[in-house]
Amino acid sequence: SYELTQPPSVSVSPGQTASITCSGYKLGDKYASWYQQRPGQSPVLVIYQDSQRPSGIPERFSGSNSGNTATLTISGTQAMDEADYYCQAWDSSTAVVFGGGTKLTVL
Amino acid sequence: QITLKESGPTLVKPTQTLTLTCTFSGFSLSTSGVGVGWIRQPPGKALEWLALIYWNDDKRYSPSLKSRLTITKDTSKNQVVLTMTNMDPVDTATYYCAHSPSPTMGGFDYWGQGTLVTVSS
Repeated sequence: SYELTQPPSVSVSPGQTASITCSGYKLGDKYASWYQQRPGQSPVLVIYQDSQRPSGIPERFSGSNSGNTATLTISGTQAMDEADYYCQAWDSSTAVVFGGGTKLTVL
Repeated sequence: QITLKESGPTLVKPTQTLTLTCTFSGFSLSTSGVGVGWIRQPPGKALEWLALIYWNDDKRYSPSLKSRLTITKDTSKNQVVLTMTNMDPVDTATYYCAHSPSPTMGGFDYWGQGTLVTVSS
């Protein structure tokens, strides 16, 4: 079955850029989405179709997807961005797969 | 606005069948492209996709759980029902339903609040 791999944790200083990767076989051929989940809350979609931001998501969130890796980038990271982040892939044969999640710590 | 809410038992015994209902508003499951999915999250663990049903009754299941899952829709009631057979303590999790605006969009843009299901004798 298809798998997506994320680093368990990423740390970033306030105001700096955080990058969270998601790896999977030929992931670039699929659509990647990213979700933010704060403790005790439901996930929130922050990126879809590799690089699109839903309305209401700050511009500091951006995404890319090529080859075997999708990347979520948070520019000018704020304390409120501290959360778990999950990547998710979709294609017509796999349907839906989630990555294992990355805990973002803003130090 | 789009809202979804999960309902069902909070406690089930091992080997029993779990039935969860997602009741939604703000969209129709008869609209071309729209889907509703189920995702679960064991305490302290990652999200796991379970099933997805589309407006045209196309159904997709997680390969690892396919034999235990059934997803159905009632368009007139704005509900999607998920059944999972032969429940086990490892199935203890918060179960979410979520809205997918189109297959090409590739993501879930609205989520319910989730419902915690505990499997224990």
